[in-house]
Amino acid sequence: DTGVSQDPRHKITKRGQNVTFRCDPISEHNRLYWYRQTLGQGPEFLTYFQNEAQLEKSRLLSDRFSAERPKGSFSTLEIQRTEQGDSAMYLCASSLLGGLTIGTQYFGPGTRLLVL
Amino acid sequence: AQSVSQHNHHVILSEAASLELGCNYSYGGTVNLFWYVQYPGQHLQLLLKYFSGDPLVKGIKGFEAEFIKSKFSFNLRKPSVQWSDTAEYFCAATNNAGNMLTFGGGTRLMVKP
Repeated sequence: DTGVSQDPRHKITKRGQNVTFRCDPISEHNRLYWYRQTLGQGPEFLTYFQNEAQLEKSRLLSDRFSAERPKGSFSTLEIQRTEQGDSAMYLCASSLLGGLTIGTQYFGPGTRLLVL
Repeated sequence: AQSVSQHNHHVILSEAASLELGCNYSYGGTVNLFWYVQYPGQHLQLLLKYFSGDPLVKGIKGFEAEFIKSKFSFNLRKPSVQWSDTAEYFCAATNNAGNMLTFGGGTRLMVKP
């Protein structure tokens, strides 16, 4: 399977704990995106990288959230001091900059987070 | 502000019925438009996309969508739905730079056999 992969698929944590999610994009893709999706809503943009540079962050991304893409390949999204409102599906997507496919993002299966 | 709206939250159809799901966008400048589908228990998959050219785009599984610039719309259509089309459908848009996608709230389609 050469699609976008995410790990773990499910995470249950207690309020106040830190959690970290990993995303592995499609191998030749240079852009990587994080989104959050709550029940009954469409995905909402959090942040994106071009190679290892984080180019944009949403206002949804509070100081408790941090994302990295250290070598321009996989990415991690960390949430510190989790709150119940952080419960959601966290989606990763990747795309290839340039050419006719610009903006076409391919999504992973997501990590479902439940904060108790 | 950039936004995408889907007016139908839930749609129930019988097999062989025709489908049209509405999508309207509010975007300045050039816009690229997408429809994604999420089958039960699966991840988001691209159905079709519009970047430029022919405003009628055809996607997978018999779906098509028409970009009508004057109406700021990109409605999804299928002439005859099947039970296997039961899923949630999301319209999305991005600017020409291919940055963040803005999604609509989704339309949950149920097709009765």
